[in-house]
Amino acid sequence: DAKTTQPNSMESNEEEPVHLPCNHSTISGTDYIHWYRQLPSQGPEYVIHGLTSNVNNRMASLAIAEDRKSSTLILHRATLRDAAVYYCILSNAGGTSYGKLTFGQGTILTVHP
Amino acid sequence: KAGVTQTPRYLIKTRGQQVTLSCSPISGHRSVSWYQQTPGQGLQFLFEYFSETQRNKGNFPGRFSGRQFSNSRSEMNVSTLELGDSALYLCASLSGGAFFGQGTRLTVV
Repeated sequence: DAKTTQPNSMESNEEEPVHLPCNHSTISGTDYIHWYRQLPSQGPEYVIHGLTSNVNNRMASLAIAEDRKSSTLILHRATLRDAAVYYCILSNAGGTSYGKLTFGQGTILTVHP
Repeated sequence: KAGVTQTPRYLIKTRGQQVTLSCSPISGHRSVSWYQQTPGQGLQFLFEYFSETQRNKGNFPGRFSGRQFSNSRSEMNVSTLELGDSALYLCASLSGGAFFGQGTRLTVV
C-alpha cells in the first residue's frame, strides 16, 4: 500500500485558515487522495477526496500538487469544532483494495480560541 | 438519508465469550468495511464485504469473522474473546468516500 506522511500535530487560531499537508511520494496513477477526520469519541468523518484536480466542498478544499506527490487540506476558517485528528489516506478506487483504508497516525489539529 | 447504524453502542463481555456486532450501511451502499481502533494500534482494517462476498481481509486472527447479508447489512463476530480485543469497532459504508458509524465500544473483562 502506498504510504502517506503527515505532521504529528498542528495548531491554529479560531477563524484563521489551516493548511494540513500530506506527502505521498509513492502514489500510483489510480490512487485517490482521501481525507478523514475524527473528533473525540466519534467515528472518522469523511472530509474530501480527489484524484488530480483541486476539489472544494462545504467542509474544506483539497489542493493536489501537479506531480501528485503531495496534497494539502485547507480549512478556510477554523472553528473550535474543527479540532480533531486528520487522516490523509490513499485509496485505489479501481483496484481490489478499494475498501481497505490504511490509517496512519494522522495530524492532531488544535484550535485556539 | 440515514447514516451508518451500529448496534449495540456499548458492550461488556467476559474473556472466552463470543460477541456479534451489527452494522447497517447507508441505503444503496453495497460495500461495508470493519475497523478496530485501540489507543496503542490506532485504526486497523479488519475486512471488507461487497455484495455478500469478502473482498479484502486485514491481518487479524481467525477468531475475527464477518458476513454480509443480501440487504447489505453486515455482522462481525469475535469468538473466544481476549482482554486485548477491547476496542472501538467501527463499520464504514463505502460509496466514493467511506462513511463511518459511531462504533461499538467493546470491553472485555
